[in-house]
Amino acid sequence: QKEVEQDPGPLSVPEGAIVSLNCTYSNSAFQYFMWYRQYSRKGPELLMYTYSSGNKEDGRFTAQVDKSSKYISLFIRDSQPSDSATYLCAMNNHRAGGFKTIFGAGTRLFVKA
Amino acid sequence: DAGITQSPRHKVTETGTPVTLRCHQTENHRYMYWYRQDPGHGLRLIHYSYGVKDTDKGEVSDGYSVSRSKTEDFLLTLESATSSQTSVYFCAISESFLSSYNSPLHFGNGTRLTVT
Repeated sequence: QKEVEQDPGPLSVPEGAIVSLNCTYSNSAFQYFMWYRQYSRKGPELLMYTYSSGNKEDGRFTAQVDKSSKYISLFIRDSQPSDSATYLCAMNNHRAGGFKTIFGAGTRLFVKA
Repeated sequence: DAGITQSPRHKVTETGTPVTLRCHQTENHRYMYWYRQDPGHGLRLIHYSYGVKDTDKGEVSDGYSVSRSKTEDFLLTLESATSSQTSVYFCAISESFLSSYNSPLHFGNGTRLTVT
């Protein structure tokens, strides 16, 4: 079983829809939770981060962590065609350092105009 | 793109040949990483470096070696390429040991390697 599970999609939604992207994980030691966005033929870029449990909002994006369920989510409100990309969740144990970051396989999102 | 250049961007090679991929950064970050990205597996760490001449293995290091003779350059070598090493390879850098909001991983745009 993988440490981090993420539905690969693809997920196709109309412009303006609310998008929910999710990951589950098995290692209860994970403390930092991140979402990276990756456009086609590009490297991933950090989109959101959350430490431990709770919500974090940044514009149209909200990251949510439920450590009791080992479940994290990224919500995109008023989705735009420019949001079409692959979204990767990532997480690590703070004490273990950056090279212990575990990535999900990524969910491909298409937002139709 | 956080000053990271990967070369070449595309490479086609034959089984059994050696291949070297280069990552060059202009950010003077201490930590550098090589990942491979494959469908269904996401990003997996091959090797990383925490300083000049200081490197260590990641989770999928078999068949790969690395070298870092200067802060700005991190080389990944496939000594004898195999078809299972067909992948997209990403270099990443980070400023500190703790990869989080204050020191996220910054990625290059990848090298697409095909081994025939």
